[in-house]
Amino acid sequence: DAGVIQSPRHEVTEMGQEVTLRCKPISGHNSLFWYRQTMMRGLELLIYFNNNVPIDDSGMPEDRFSAKMPNASFSTLKIQPSEPRDSAVYFCASSQSIGPTEAFFGQGTRLTVV
Amino acid sequence: GIQVEQSPPDLILQEGANSTLRCNFSDSVNNLQWFHQNPWGQLINLFYIPSGTKQNGRLSATTVATERYSLLYISSSQTTDSGVYFCAVRSPGRRALTFGSGTRLQVQP
Repeated sequence: DAGVIQSPRHEVTEMGQEVTLRCKPISGHNSLFWYRQTMMRGLELLIYFNNNVPIDDSGMPEDRFSAKMPNASFSTLKIQPSEPRDSAVYFCASSQSIGPTEAFFGQGTRLTVV
Repeated sequence: GIQVEQSPPDLILQEGANSTLRCNFSDSVNNLQWFHQNPWGQLINLFYIPSGTKQNGRLSATTVATERYSLLYISSSQTTDSGVYFCAVRSPGRRALTFGSGTRLQVQP
C-alpha cells in the first residue's frame, strides 16, 4: 500500500482565499483523522471520521474550517476564508477502528497564508 | 481530556551514545504509539505498544500501562536519529490519538 496520501505538499495562498487540502487514506482503514501542527500548540486533532461519518469535530477552530468524507477513499479539509494564523502543517492519518488501531500519517501539507 | 507529558524536552547526544525518552500519561490507554518526526517533517511510526516491550534494531520501547508510562530506548545513536520523538495515546472510548509535546533529539557526529 502507498500509505496515506495528501495533496498538495505545499500551499501558499493569500489571505481571504479558499484552501482545500486532500487526503486518501490507506485502503481498508475506516477511521480518518485531520491534525494540525504548529509551534505554539503542537499536534492537535481537528476532526475525525469513522466509516465516512464525522464523529468528533470539537477541534475545528471555527466555522471557516470544514471537512468532508464523501467516500471511504477520499477526504477534504477546506478553509474559507483563509487567514495568516491558519499557517501550519496539516496532517491526515488513518487507522482501523477494530483490532490493531495503529494510526499512520501522511506526509502533511504545509500551508502558508500571506 | 488525557494529558501526555514527555521528558526531556531537548536532548543532545554524541554519536554512539544511548538514551531513554519518557512518556507519562494521566489516564488509562488502549493505544500508545511512538513516532519520529524527521527533519523533513514526516511522522514515522516507530512502535505501536499499548503494553509490554518491543524491539526494532537499535530501538526498543516498554509500556507499563498500569503505572501510566512508556519508555523509548535508543542505543548507539546515529546522526540520522535526530529529530523530534512523539508519544501519542488513545484512551478508551475515543478513537483519536492525543500527542505529547515531543522530545527534540540532536545527535552530533
